[in-house]
Amino acid sequence: KAGVTQTPRYLIKTRGQQVTLSCSPISGHRSVSWYQQTPGQGLQFLFEYFSETQRNKGNFPGRFSGRQFSNSRSEMNVSTLELGDSALYLCASSLGRSGLSYGYTFGSGTRLTVV
Amino acid sequence: GESVGLHLPTLSVQEGDNSIINCAYSNSASDYFIWYKQESGKGPQFIIDIRSNMDKRQGQRVTVLLNKTVKHLSLQIAATQPGDSAVYFCAESPDSWGKLQFGAGTQVVVTP
Repeated sequence: KAGVTQTPRYLIKTRGQQVTLSCSPISGHRSVSWYQQTPGQGLQFLFEYFSETQRNKGNFPGRFSGRQFSNSRSEMNVSTLELGDSALYLCASSLGRSGLSYGYTFGSGTRLTVV
Repeated sequence: GESVGLHLPTLSVQEGDNSIINCAYSNSASDYFIWYKQESGKGPQFIIDIRSNMDKRQGQRVTVLLNKTVKHLSLQIAATQPGDSAVYFCAESPDSWGKLQFGAGTQVVVTP
């Protein structure tokens, strides 16, 4: 079965712009989580969505937002981009039902460069 | 200015030897732990997981050990191969709502 698909793979944006990244989870998975990976901070949790509802949120400013659609696809948006937002943005999907193995599967990520 | 990267510990292993990668986790309430492997330019790839009601779990060439008393997790790779060269991350789930907390990672280098 198809894995987690993230688009685009690479993106270059200018400071002050906004960007939208997309994530299509594994078929049947209803939970989508987003992470930011940088050399300085490692992998940091941004937020998690399940059935179109944000269930959990990390410690990122309000410029970072997301949403999930009825087909479980998710988007994340970063507004007013800063140089420090340059990172690999990863999304992971899972079945999301508590009590079962979570089985988080990651996509290959979107490499965002802010210039 | 230039950001300072996390200092990744490096484990150098000879091909064919066994590898042991260690990880200290932070939250005693975490009930689920995962090991991931990340190769350059790719997303983290699931290796093996373990729930807090277990001490040990085995997969193909890999074993995860969990010591809840000292909040320690380890990954053992048997007969390490060149394809095992990657950064390995442990992750803990401190709550039920989709959040994983990752360790800094360990760079494994397999030498012939």
